[in-house]
Amino acid sequence: QKEVEQNSGPLSVPEGAIASLNCTYSDRGSQSFFWYRQYSGKSPELIMSIYSNGDKEDGRFTAQLNKASQYVSLLIRDSQPSDSATYLCAVSPTNAGKSTFGDGTTLTVKP
Amino acid sequence: NAGVMQNPRHLVRRRGQEARLRCSPMKGHSHVYWYRQLPEEGLKFMVYLQKENIIDESGMPKERFSAEFPKEGPSILRIQQVVRGDSAAYFCASSPSQGASGTEAFFGQGTRLTVV
Repeated sequence: QKEVEQNSGPLSVPEGAIASLNCTYSDRGSQSFFWYRQYSGKSPELIMSIYSNGDKEDGRFTAQLNKASQYVSLLIRDSQPSDSATYLCAVSPTNAGKSTFGDGTTLTVKP
Repeated sequence: NAGVMQNPRHLVRRRGQEARLRCSPMKGHSHVYWYRQLPEEGLKFMVYLQKENIIDESGMPKERFSAEFPKEGPSILRIQQVVRGDSAAYFCASSPSQGASGTEAFFGQGTRLTVV
């Protein structure tokens, strides 16, 4: 079992729809959770971080964390073609130190 | 406020040569991480450093790879006697000191290493 698993994808949604990206993790002691966006040939860009159970909203993005289920998700509302990218889920066991990344889910938003 | 700076952006080496990748963290960040991304694969952790200390090198290959973060100057990832399988994108990330946001890591633009 991988430490961090994401939907294998690719995921395709029409413009204006909600895109839902999911991630599960194996280390029950994990403390910090992140979503990164990576455009093809570019570096990962941090778009959301979440540390406690519940929802965290930032513009069109909402991160959801459920530590009991070891599950974290990212919702993108009103999806735009510019959201087309690979989304990486990352999990860290402590408040400092390395993050373990999932393999990513590729999202395509069709105009 | 400059972001994480990596250089060179592209590096071509012949098999058997040495590759040196440099990373300057964001201002105010004291933690540096190196990750490798093979084509069509995810990010794999290599090493975590603070100034003059290697904190976690559990992802580093046992041979040919080394990393340092000296008191002065950038962090260096060194690959000796490169082989074709070392061809990848190498990303550096930095984060601030410990705390609630201590692991929010920001990435540099990466060094694309090609071994010919």
